[in-house]
Amino acid sequence: KAGVTQTPRYLIKTRGQQVTLSCSPISGHRSVSWYQQTPGQGLQFLFEYFSETQRNKGNFPGRFSGRQFSNSRSEMNVSTLELGDSALYLCASSLDSKYEQYFGPGTRLTVT
Amino acid sequence: ILNVEQSPQSLHVQEGDSTNFTCSFPSSNFYALHWYRWETAKSPEALFVMTLNGDEKKKGRISATLNTKEGYSYLYIKGSQPEDSATYLCAMDNYGQNFVFGPGTRLSVLP
Repeated sequence: KAGVTQTPRYLIKTRGQQVTLSCSPISGHRSVSWYQQTPGQGLQFLFEYFSETQRNKGNFPGRFSGRQFSNSRSEMNVSTLELGDSALYLCASSLDSKYEQYFGPGTRLTVT
Repeated sequence: ILNVEQSPQSLHVQEGDSTNFTCSFPSSNFYALHWYRWETAKSPEALFVMTLNGDEKKKGRISATLNTKEGYSYLYIKGSQPEDSATYLCAMDNYGQNFVFGPGTRLSVLP
């Protein structure tokens, strides 16, 4: 069974631009969650999608948005990038809450 | 704002020692508690998901307990090995509201 994949793995953008990251979950998993990891803030929850609906949302500004498609693949979009958005973005998939989450390798975003 | 705490922040043990660390979380609106193992340059690996008060889970030399009434979970490692060196994260699932990680406990096992 293939694991969680994320594309791209690395990305460099400039301030003010927008970016879209993609996450393909393990086959059969309907829940996809997104996380941001920065050295200063640790691992922080962005949002969770289940069956194409956002079910939970963390404390991030509206510039961070996401969506989930009918095949459970998910995208995360960040508009008007700021330097502080430089981070490792991880997605994780699971069958549902209360089940183990499987993480992808992450996308390393650098904003210059 | 939910606050999940972990202690100690870091730990150095000798190979063969047993060790344990703590995750503390608010007991209200509890849904599930997740434990992860995160090695440098890798993605977090799920260890346990615990939901019921009194839950005990075991995977090889690693086990965990859960007390939802007082808001804590313990992770135990028996006979630590150098390959156990990693950061151990807990996260509280506050269903419908948030999913909050603790800062982690960094374990170093010296050969």
